[in-house]
Amino acid sequence: DAGITQSPRHKVTETGTPVTLRCHQTENHRYMYWYRQDPGHGLRLIHYSYGVKDTDKGEVSDGYSVSRSKTEDFLLTLESATSSQTSVYFCAISDLPGGDASTDTQYFGPGTRLTVL
Amino acid sequence: SQKIEQNSEALNIQEGKTATLTCNYTNYSPAYLQWYRQDPGRGPVFLLLIRENEKEKRKERLKVTFDTTLKQSLFHITASQPADSATYLCALDMSNSGYALNFGKGTSLLVTP
Repeated sequence: DAGITQSPRHKVTETGTPVTLRCHQTENHRYMYWYRQDPGHGLRLIHYSYGVKDTDKGEVSDGYSVSRSKTEDFLLTLESATSSQTSVYFCAISDLPGGDASTDTQYFGPGTRLTVL
Repeated sequence: SQKIEQNSEALNIQEGKTATLTCNYTNYSPAYLQWYRQDPGRGPVFLLLIRENEKEKRKERLKVTFDTTLKQSLFHITASQPADSATYLCALDMSNSGYALNFGKGTSLLVTP
């Protein structure tokens, strides 16, 4: 894997509790993304960041917030976890498109499996 | 809305044969299309990217074609091996989302000896 780590790798929590997932990269890539992956839905974009303190919503952003205070870290927060947020969460990074396949692709972290009871 | 469709049925083939996976899309004019491989419990791994002005791209035993008229990409694995067994995801650039990707649901490939 490119230098991307996610923590925790597994978490079980209860409905209504706040949860924060962390993505850390050592590649100095500008763009960072949070996806969730569920059976029957594939990967869906939650939020993304195009620079420090610059973030925007994806297609399934309700119930989630993000923050990026440093280039290398992108945090995903579930303010009040619900059972529908049980999923596998993937962080991904990419650099500015530069006409080269190596810069137009995304590199994924190992994922965080979150279970909300 | 933008839609990506991949064969939902798992593809089972014999070792040594060519596997062909399909990706169809609607309501898109993508600048490029990408293919990823995902193994159980792991994140997707990039395989190939093909741009809208390219018809075919090859990398070792992998070949991708891109027909923007048919709105379809075909992904071929020649001389398949059991180690090629995985789920393969097609992805297109998502408009207005910072180069995020819109992924198909993936096709599971099983290569048997």
